[in-house]
Amino acid sequence: GESVGLHLPTLSVQEGDNSIINCAYSNSASDYFIWYKQESGKGPQFIIDIRSNMDKRQGQRVTVLLNKTVKHLSLQIAATQPGDSAVYFCAETNTGNQFYFGTGTSLTVIP
Amino acid sequence: ETGVTQSPTHLIKTRGQQVTLRCSSQSGHNTVSWYQQALGQGPQFIFQYYREEENGRGNFPPRFSGLQFPNYSSELNVNALELDDSALYLCASSLDIGGVETQYFGPGTRLLVL
Repeated sequence: GESVGLHLPTLSVQEGDNSIINCAYSNSASDYFIWYKQESGKGPQFIIDIRSNMDKRQGQRVTVLLNKTVKHLSLQIAATQPGDSAVYFCAETNTGNQFYFGTGTSLTVIP
Repeated sequence: ETGVTQSPTHLIKTRGQQVTLRCSSQSGHNTVSWYQQALGQGPQFIFQYYREEENGRGNFPPRFSGLQFPNYSSELNVNALELDDSALYLCASSLDIGGVETQYFGPGTRLLVL
């Protein structure tokens, strides 16, 4: 079956530092990946996505890196702010309809 | 905000009862997916509806069923509720134009089964 996992369940960073959240996936056929942010009591919020024909994509303060060789995905957040505190999920799909989510990494930003 | 709405926000049921959860998709989206998120876990795919037909199903028993209406709104029905059905139920809408598209989530319905 599908397996999407995260290396660290929790991460604490100082405000202003950069954050890196990692994710491993097991299905080499996966071709689309999304990072979601979920705040307490809310649904997952889209942050950034990447397709398998790319290895890097940048957004506003966020960068996603994809290493298909080792089936690894990372999310980099620049100049982390208190509002970035949340649980971050990576999700992947190879079917176009069913997304597989990891268990999440809880990011805490220390003021 | 994604424009995806869900109702109710919270619900308490007892074991054996039936429940219906509702979702209104983002304007212009034709596909809706439902996920179950247990406490401390990532969302688990239940099923997806496209053009009012089921378009993929995860590892959930038949007592989990759904509907999609012509206006693309959707319902999730769960029969014979079990204690383990207590979770946050999320719907996500997307626009299927022949490829893989981003799914945008609603705020969820928190179901507690006693």
